[in-house]
Amino acid sequence: DTGVSQDPRHKITKRGQNVTFRCDPISEHNRLYWYRQTLGQGPEFLTYFQNEAQLEKSRLLSDRFSAERPKGSFSTLEIQRTEQGDSAMYLCASSIQGSGNTIYFGEGSWLTVV
Amino acid sequence: AQSVSQHNHHVILSEAASLELGCNYSYGGTVNLFWYVQYPGQHLQLLLKYFSGDPLVKGIKGFEAEFIKSKFSFNLRKPSVQWSDTAEYFCAVTAPNTGNQFYFGTGTSLTVIP
Repeated sequence: DTGVSQDPRHKITKRGQNVTFRCDPISEHNRLYWYRQTLGQGPEFLTYFQNEAQLEKSRLLSDRFSAERPKGSFSTLEIQRTEQGDSAMYLCASSIQGSGNTIYFGEGSWLTVV
Repeated sequence: AQSVSQHNHHVILSEAASLELGCNYSYGGTVNLFWYVQYPGQHLQLLLKYFSGDPLVKGIKGFEAEFIKSKFSFNLRKPSVQWSDTAEYFCAVTAPNTGNQFYFGTGTSLTVIP
């Protein structure tokens, strides 16, 4: 499968714990995006990278959230001191740089904070 | 910031009925428009997209959408739905002059009754 892959697919954690999600984009894609989706809502933009540079961050990305893409390939999204409100699907997507190029989504990582 | 409105939150149709899902966006400049579909238990997939040219675009599985610039709309249509079209449908917009960030609507849940 050469699509966007995310790991883990599901994570249940206790409030206050840290969690990390990994995303492997489509290999030739230099842009990588993180979105969050809750029930009944569309995906909400969190941040995106062009190669290893983090170019934009949403206001939704509090200081407990950090994303990295150290070598311009895979990316990690870490949430520190998780709260129940962090429970959501975390989606990764990738695209080739260019005006309006389609983004391709992974299957997402479900986070449940108990 | 841009916004995308999907006014139909939940639509229920019988098989063979015609479908039209509304999508309106707020941005005065050049936009690229997309419809994504999320089948139960699956990841977001691209249905169709509009970049330029013919405002009537055709996508996969018999779907089409029409870009009406004067109405800031990009409604999705299908002449005859099937049970397998049961899914969540998301409209999305990007604008090349605003960083190409994707903005999604809240989605429309379509249930097709056999």
